[in-house]
Amino acid sequence: DGGITQSPKYLFRKEGQNVTLSCEQNLNHDAMYWYRQDPGQGLRLIYYSQIVNDFQKGDIAEGYSVSREKKESFPLTVTSAQKNPTAFYLCASRTAGSTDTQYFGPGTRLTVL
Amino acid sequence: KQEVTQIPAALSVPEGENLVLNCSFTDSAIYNLQWFRQDPGKGLTSLLLIQSSQREQTSGRLNASLDKSSGRSTLYIAASQPGDSATYLCAVKETSGSRLTFGEGTQLTVNP
Repeated sequence: DGGITQSPKYLFRKEGQNVTLSCEQNLNHDAMYWYRQDPGQGLRLIYYSQIVNDFQKGDIAEGYSVSREKKESFPLTVTSAQKNPTAFYLCASRTAGSTDTQYFGPGTRLTVL
Repeated sequence: KQEVTQIPAALSVPEGENLVLNCSFTDSAIYNLQWFRQDPGKGLTSLLLIQSSQREQTSGRLNASLDKSSGRSTLYIAASQPGDSATYLCAVKETSGSRLTFGEGTQLTVNP
């Protein structure tokens, strides 16, 4: 069963803690993305990676960090420097080619207590 | 910087109506435009992708058009059903780079 998995589905964090959100894909996609979605808003790009061991900042990278050590995995760490981390986080991956569409995971809802 | 706007922000219609969702973008130098569907608390599902050289794409009751020169796209839903209730987002891919820029979405409710 091919697809993108994100875990956990719900995550609660105390202020001052770092947390890591998992994103795994078995679609053999080269590019992976992290987005943040706030209520009633579209998606904003946090980080993206087009190839293993390489990634670029998106529009709202401050307070976040990523790694891309394996093609299948692109974890996102929300650090204590992120001032307002409560949001819905979506991971996506993409295959190059004529269709060029992005496939999305089910999302992780992060709440800061 | 590319900006994508969707109008209306919310729409409520009775079942069976044909409806149009609008998407506009500020920079016409796009590679493609996609329409996505998002159910509450879920990820996004791609509905239609229109390449910059295309004028429209159709899938079942859905038809998306693209007018690149005017920076507009519309998603037409025929004979709407309660199962169509969701948020619909459009996104453009710029010619350079691989990032998508999303609109804020239109929340659609189809009442039985």
